[in-house]
Amino acid sequence: ETGVTQSPTHLIKTRGQQVTLRCSSQSGHNTVSWYQQALGQGPQFIFQYYREEENGRGNFPPRFSGLQFPNYSSELNVNALELDDSALYLCASSPRTSGDNEQFFGPGTRLTVL
Amino acid sequence: GDSVTQMEGPVTLSEEAFLTINCTYTATGYPSLFWYVQYPGEGLQLLLKATKADDKGSNKGFEATYRKETTSFHLEKGSVQVSDSAVYFCALSARSGGYNKLIFGAGTRLAVHP
Repeated sequence: ETGVTQSPTHLIKTRGQQVTLRCSSQSGHNTVSWYQQALGQGPQFIFQYYREEENGRGNFPPRFSGLQFPNYSSELNVNALELDDSALYLCASSPRTSGDNEQFFGPGTRLTVL
Repeated sequence: GDSVTQMEGPVTLSEEAFLTINCTYTATGYPSLFWYVQYPGEGLQLLLKATKADDKGSNKGFEATYRKETTSFHLEKGSVQVSDSAVYFCALSARSGGYNKLIFGAGTRLAVHP
């Protein structure tokens, strides 16, 4: 069973640029959530995708957007990058029927904005 | 809104010492509760979970009991090892509309010395 994978591992961008992060969900999982973890803090929920649609969103501006594909993989796009966007971005997948709401995390993509 | 509060770190212990990391939560309804661990440079790994009051989650010598009356989920281990050095996150699952998200505490860094 393949776990959650993310790419790239690390990324360096400059202010104002755009970035796309990718995530492949664990086999059999149809729901993908994205989290932002700033240095020294706990992860913060960005949004969740199910059946290729966003079905929940945290307190993040519209320049954070996403996609989910028919194979349940997902992308996180961030436009007009700001210095404060520097963080570890975590993707988590779960089966829709998960009664205990457990989510399985990937290794993350570390984004540095200069 | 729902929230999780963890004791601040770092927690520094000698090998074989007893560990307690306090976690309290505020939530509507009956969330599932989780402890995740993050090793340096890695993503989050589920350590243990509990889905209802009085449940005890356990794994790798770690334990936590879901206490509804005190809204707590404290993490304990009887004898820590150097390899337990990591950051520990307490989290709850919060249901909002048609989706579930995880709400995390700020994390507690544990350093175990030989």
